Amino acid sequence: DAGVIQSPRHEVTEMGQEVTLRCKPISGHDYLFWYRQTMMRGLELLIYFNNNVPIDDSGMPEDRFSAKMPNASFSTLKIQPSEPRDSAVYFCASSPTGSLSGANVLTFGAGSRLTVL
Amino acid sequence: QKEVEQDPGPLSVPEGAIVSLNCTYSNSAFQYFMWYRQYSRKGPELLMYTYSSGNKEDGRFTAQVDKSSKYISLFIRDSQPSDSATYLCAMSAGSGTYKYIFGTGTRLKVLA
Repeated sequence: DAGVIQSPRHEVTEMGQEVTLRCKPISGHDYLFWYRQTMMRGLELLIYFNNNVPIDDSGMPEDRFSAKMPNASFSTLKIQPSEPRDSAVYFCASSPTGSLSGANVLTFGAGSRLTVL
Repeated sequence: QKEVEQDPGPLSVPEGAIVSLNCTYSNSAFQYFMWYRQYSRKGPELLMYTYSSGNKEDGRFTAQVDKSSKYISLFIRDSQPSDSATYLCAMSAGSGTYKYIFGTGTRLKVLA
């Protein structure tokens, strides 16, 4: 299995531009999570999906952020318009249901490093 | 106050030393406790998992949970340069709850 695949690995853009990050979860995993990692705040959950349906988006910082999961093998996180404070590493993770006696084992992708100038 | 607190380090130790990494938390509902290891420019990977209180050992790694003190620890025995990474604690309230709260991570460097 290739694991969770994210693209692009690096993105440098200018303030005001639209950014789209992509994720392909592990086949058979029915949960998908988007996290943001910064030095100051660590890993923060933005949104998660179950069977392609958004379950909790309370971590999405502003209306400028949106996420979709059109099918079981693809998800996007979009930022429009982007701002310098959005600079961070964005991780996608997936998990099968109840993989550890009621908890979930998250498998993370390698991340997308976003720099907004 | 953050729900999960973790000393960011960096922590530098000589090869072969015993390493102790710790997290404190404020939410008494947390039941599932995990340690993730993150190498530079990589995603976190699960290292250890513990349910409720007690100890769990896996090779050179031991995870401890003290729910009465809201304190968890990860011990690494006979540390190796390959253990150099950032260690993140994570916790969740349990079954049916898929929101994991992560610590900010402790950066560990094991010197050869």
